[in-house]
Amino acid sequence: GQSLEQPSEVTAVEGAIVQINCTYQTSGFYGLSWYQQHDGGAPTFLSYNALDGLEETGRFSSFLSRSDSYGYLLLQELQMKDSASYFCAVYNQGGKLIFGQGTELSVKP
Amino acid sequence: NAGVTQTPKFRVLKTGQSMTLLCAQDMNHEYMYWYRQDPGMGLRLIHYSVGEGTTAKGEVPDGYNVSRLKKQNFLLGLESAAPSQTSVYFCASGRLNSGANVLTFGAGSRLTVL
Repeated sequence: GQSLEQPSEVTAVEGAIVQINCTYQTSGFYGLSWYQQHDGGAPTFLSYNALDGLEETGRFSSFLSRSDSYGYLLLQELQMKDSASYFCAVYNQGGKLIFGQGTELSVKP
Repeated sequence: NAGVTQTPKFRVLKTGQSMTLLCAQDMNHEYMYWYRQDPGMGLRLIHYSVGEGTTAKGEVPDGYNVSRLKKQNFLLGLESAAPSQTSVYFCASGRLNSGANVLTFGAGSRLTVL
């Protein structure tokens, strides 16, 4: 089967940098994605890694190490609007996309 | 450009009743998914489809059935609703973009089973 682990909650201050880790177990691994969800609304796509290394998209970066079955999402220059839940998700070659339980990020002034 | 549309947005059922949730996408995506979200449980995959006429089981398929007769529609059925199926249901459709399956989600359907 597939499983993912990420911290349930993280707190940081405005302007800081925060890292949300994700470890996974799966067969047929194809890639690791990150999604953001505000207050139970529709999740939105943030980033994707299929190969080892860092992908940067503005203030957000995502990292993957396939050999360690590990990835992280890095949020820089935190803003109050970044307070949300963040999900890592594993995509396998059969088209299945499984999500972790989510990390609730609270950004304090 | 509507994206992914779910109907209904809210529904209250009695135990044993049946219902169908409809998901429609206008982006010509091949992949479609149904997830349920409960407090502290994240998004759990119920069923998914990798193309018209295909369906596959996800993590929590019991008590649900799906159909993908048309590429743009993915229906989720509850034949005999149970209180444990009280949840928020999200539909998503996806495309492959440089190897990534990028999902677009609907706004969600909140179902309460009494």
